Amino acid sequence: EAQVTQNPRYLITVTGKKLTVTCSQNMNHEYMSWYRQDPGLGLRQIYYSMNVEVTDKGDVPEGYKVSRKEKRNFPLILESPSPNQTSLYFCASSFSGGGGTGELFFGEGSRLTVL
Amino acid sequence: GNSVTQMEGPVTLSEEAFLTINCTYTATGYPSLFWYVQYPGEGLQLLLKATKADDKGSNKGFEATYRKETTSFHLEKGSVQVSDSAVYFCALSDRSGYGGSQGNLIFGKGTKLSVKP
Repeated sequence: EAQVTQNPRYLITVTGKKLTVTCSQNMNHEYMSWYRQDPGLGLRQIYYSMNVEVTDKGDVPEGYKVSRKEKRNFPLILESPSPNQTSLYFCASSFSGGGGTGELFFGEGSRLTVL
Repeated sequence: GNSVTQMEGPVTLSEEAFLTINCTYTATGYPSLFWYVQYPGEGLQLLLKATKADDKGSNKGFEATYRKETTSFHLEKGSVQVSDSAVYFCALSDRSGYGGSQGNLIFGKGTKLSVKP
């Protein structure tokens, strides 16, 4: 089954404790992206990757890191989480970024709470 | 810059009512337009799309027409069901962009729809 898999789905952590949210897709997509969803703000892009070893900042990259060492994986790293990073996070992928006639495929989301 | 504005919710309707969710956009070039839907507890999924002016996207009884003259892409459904309760996102892409930005979608803030039996 074609899918985007995120882990963990739910996480409660404390300020400053490094964490990684993993994202994996099995569709051989070149493009992957991370978003955060907050009430009243909709979806905001954190980072994206057009291909292996190619990453770029989205609209709200501060406090986050990413890497793309393999085509299928695109982990999101919070080196020192803070309470303002409490949010619902989504990973998405597509062949060409969804921006042409393509379609973005989303994971089910990871709800992160930073105390 | 490119942007999407959609009507704020929440929208509450009775079953079988007519639905319109307004979406307008600002973009350079010739964007493709999308509606995504997010059911409770799930990620977003593509509902419909239109890639050029006057195209009509349709799926699951929902329709939206790409209106270049009014820069709009309003979502409509003639008779909503309880199962349509979800958050709906309008989005655009700017295919005239270069490099990484060409691949990105710009989303509206979402409109929550609740349908009562």
